[in-house]
Amino acid sequence: DGGITQSPKYLFRKEGQNVTLSCEQNLNHDAMYWYRQDPGQGLRLIYYSQIVNDFQKGDIAEGYSVSREKKESFPLTVTSAQKNPTAFYLCASSIGAGDGSPLHFGNGTRLTVT
Amino acid sequence: GQQLNQSPQSMFIQEGEDVSMNCTSSSIFNTWLWYKQDPGEGPVLLIALYKAGELTSNGRLTAQFGITRKDSFLNISASIPSDVGIYFCAGLTTDSWGKLQFGAGTQVVVTP
Repeated sequence: DGGITQSPKYLFRKEGQNVTLSCEQNLNHDAMYWYRQDPGQGLRLIYYSQIVNDFQKGDIAEGYSVSREKKESFPLTVTSAQKNPTAFYLCASSIGAGDGSPLHFGNGTRLTVT
Repeated sequence: GQQLNQSPQSMFIQEGEDVSMNCTSSSIFNTWLWYKQDPGEGPVLLIALYKAGELTSNGRLTAQFGITRKDSFLNISASIPSDVGIYFCAGLTTDSWGKLQFGAGTQVVVTP
């Protein structure tokens, strides 16, 4: 079955440590995205990538970094510079970017930093 | 950036009732998407709308792309317990460079 896989489902880290969240898709989609979700809020865009080896900052990119070395993979690193990293992180992909094609989401990673 | 206002924020309804929620903006949209999110899961696409005035159904769900292109609504008819969840609207404007704008969500609680 085609889909988006995020791992792990739950992640716990100590403050000051960098942590990398995995996102893999086998839908052959060109575009991939990372969103952050906090209680009672909508999804906020962290980074997105329209094509391999290219990515752009979203609305809340500070304290995060990404790479897109392969079409199917778009890992997100939450660095120690992110002031409030505890959140639910969602990865998504779409056939293209900016063409209205719907986003397909993974099942998320809940990150807790103490 | 653009603001997408989704209402109501939450709804407590009885099984069998109809549900209606909407999203509005001051910007013109060329795509509206409606998603449902279950607790601890990622959002799942319910309905996609691409033309002003378009009315699309998916089972008991019906969504419309507003004529002004600045709003959209989602109706759920004859609600059942599994309709519980958070419903999000999302829209793409002509100047958002492919970045979807999301509403804050409508929490739906269905009581037997």
